[in-house]
Amino acid sequence: RKEVEQDPGPFNVPEGATVAFNCTYSNSASQSFFWYRQDCRKEPKLLMSVYSSGNEDGRFTAQLNRASQYISLLIRDSKLSDSATYLCVVISAGGSYIPTFGRGTSLIVHP
Amino acid sequence: ETGVTQTPRHLVMGMTNKKSLKCEQHLGHNAMYWYKQSAKKPLELMFVYSLEERVENNSVPSRFSPECPNSSHLFLHLHTLQPEDSALYLCASSQDVAFTDTQYFGPGTRLTVL
Repeated sequence: RKEVEQDPGPFNVPEGATVAFNCTYSNSASQSFFWYRQDCRKEPKLLMSVYSSGNEDGRFTAQLNRASQYISLLIRDSKLSDSATYLCVVISAGGSYIPTFGRGTSLIVHP
Repeated sequence: ETGVTQTPRHLVMGMTNKKSLKCEQHLGHNAMYWYKQSAKKPLELMFVYSLEERVENNSVPSRFSPECPNSSHLFLHLHTLQPEDSALYLCASSQDVAFTDTQYFGPGTRLTVL
């Protein structure tokens, strides 16, 4: 089983739609979780951290489910500019600092 | 826009060449990283430096040799590479090597090994 798994997509949605991605992780000792966004041929940029209590930033909501070992990203009222690849990042506790990236989920928002 | 710069942006090299990738961060961070991003694969962490000391070496072949002369600069020296080493090499920095720290990425060097 891969350490961090994401559905690669693409998710093809119309403008204004609500879309959700999940990311599962295998290490129960994982401590920190993030969503990064990567545009085509660009570098990844932090979208948001994922807190145990969940967090919201405008149209974006991130949640953590430790029992089932997954994090989610919900995007409401999708915009064309939301088209990108969304990378899940998990950092595990236990001495070594190794951020583990998922393959990413591709989102295409069309008019 | 970005506080992390990388040069060159594109590099084509033969298997017998020696080249170096350069990364510079202007954010006052203490930690720097090298990642490899291949098509259809997740980002792979290669090296982590904290205050110029290497703290992680994620089982990377010896044909990749990192160097961190100070906390603002990071190099990746390349020699005798293989075609499968062709990828996007991303540098990143963060305030410290901490679980909660955001990583800031450079634009990457797209490497092609012939």
